[in-house]
Order: sequence, then C-alpha cells, then structure tokens
Amino acid sequence: QVQLQESGPGLVKPSETLSLTCTVSGGSISSYYWTWIRQPPGKGLEWIGYIYNTGSTSYNPSVKSRVTISIDTSKKQFSLRLSSVTAADTAVYYCVRGSGEYYDTRGYYYGWFDPWGQGTLVTVSS
Amino acid sequence: SSELTQDPAVSVALGQTVRITCQGDSLRRFYASWYQQKPGQAPVVVIYGENNRPSGIPDRFSASNSGNTASLTITGAQAEDEADYHCNSRDSSGYHQVFGGGTKLTVL
Repeated sequence: QVQLQESGPGLVKPSETLSLTCTVSGGSISSYYWTWIRQPPGKGLEWIGYIYNTGSTSYNPSVKSRVTISIDTSKKQFSLRLSSVTAADTAVYYCVRGSGEYYDTRGYYYGWFDPWGQGTLVTVSS
Repeated sequence: SSELTQDPAVSVALGQTVRITCQGDSLRRFYASWYQQKPGQAPVVVIYGENNRPSGIPDRFSASNSGNTASLTITGAQAEDEADYHCNSRDSSGYHQVFGGGTKLTVL
C-alpha cells in the first residue's frame, strides 16, 4: 500500500526557511492532491496546501505569502518550503495524500485524506 | 478561529453511544470527513462522504448530516475509541480545506 515519509531538519531558526520533503512509496504519485498538514503541539490540525501532479497548487490563505509546495514526479517526492518562520510555525508536519474530488448524486462534494505520513516535528528556535 | 466548530471534549461510558458534532456553514454544501488521532500517532480517516467507512474501520462508526452540522456517531464505544476526533471539509469559499478544532473523546 502507499506509504509517505517526511524528511528534513527538525530545528529551524526564526526568520529562516523551513524545508521538508515527502517521499511516496508503494504507489503512483500521479493523480491525487499531495498535501501538507501541520499540528502545533497540543492543538488541532491546519491544512497548509496541496499540489496536484500537474503542478497546480492551492494554499491556505493564512500562509499563502510564505509557502511553496513543489513536486518531482520522477523521484516520487513533493516538498514544502515555508519562509520567514516564527515560533508559531513550530508543529508536527504531516505529508498526506488527498483523494480526488467526488460528488454524490445531489452534487455535494466530498474528499478525504489518506494515507498520512508519520509526521515530523519542526521546532522554530534560535 | 476555525470555520468548523467542534466541542473540545466529550465523554461516553463504555458500550454506550456517543455523537461528536462539527458545525459550519460550508457543511450545507460539502460533506465532512472524520479523522481519529491517538496520542503520538498520525490521524486516520474513519468516515468520508455521506457515510463511507474505509476498509478496516469498524461499523460502529457512522456519520450523519443535517443543515450546517455533521455528526460522527460511535455506537457501542470501546476503550480503544478513546482519541481525538477531527472533522474536515472545505471552507466557505469552497476553494480551501479546513479542519475543526478537534474533540477529545474519553471512554469512561
């Protein structure tokens, strides 16, 4: 089955750029919405954004000015870059596969996130 | 603040039924998906769409939807169901994803 694994530094200094990579194994990186989600310690989940295998992206407005998600289909990897980080960016970062867009007979959209990587804690501190 | 609102904590007696709710205007147009997260682990999807369970998720988990509220029901809660539950859907613009704040479920 598809597995995702995050990699990257666990400590980033304030004002610098956080960079993480997610490696996809056991399946294709074609189709799907390759997604980054984070969770500050003791808090809820926050969607950061996604990239489709065509390269189209969508970002959370709260971080849009600082975030870039890219994809390398030949390596079966996608990456997150978050610039000008502060302590508020300290979180467990998950890479996740987002399903395609589905609509039921009434036209209601639905989708889901599965599978998730194990997550990697990134601490922003000097 | 999140566009999806969940109660921070809910408790249920072992073997009883519990409903966890998620409220938001976008839920009038978009279904929620639900994720179970145990301490130190990544979330796992338990329900998506109108009421779809992925393979391996027990049938005691079910979903319902009414107006601006999505609900996750656990019928006959087990000790292993004690976890945080997060709802997810699109935001009111329809272009972005959003999560609720999460509900901590305690099984007594």
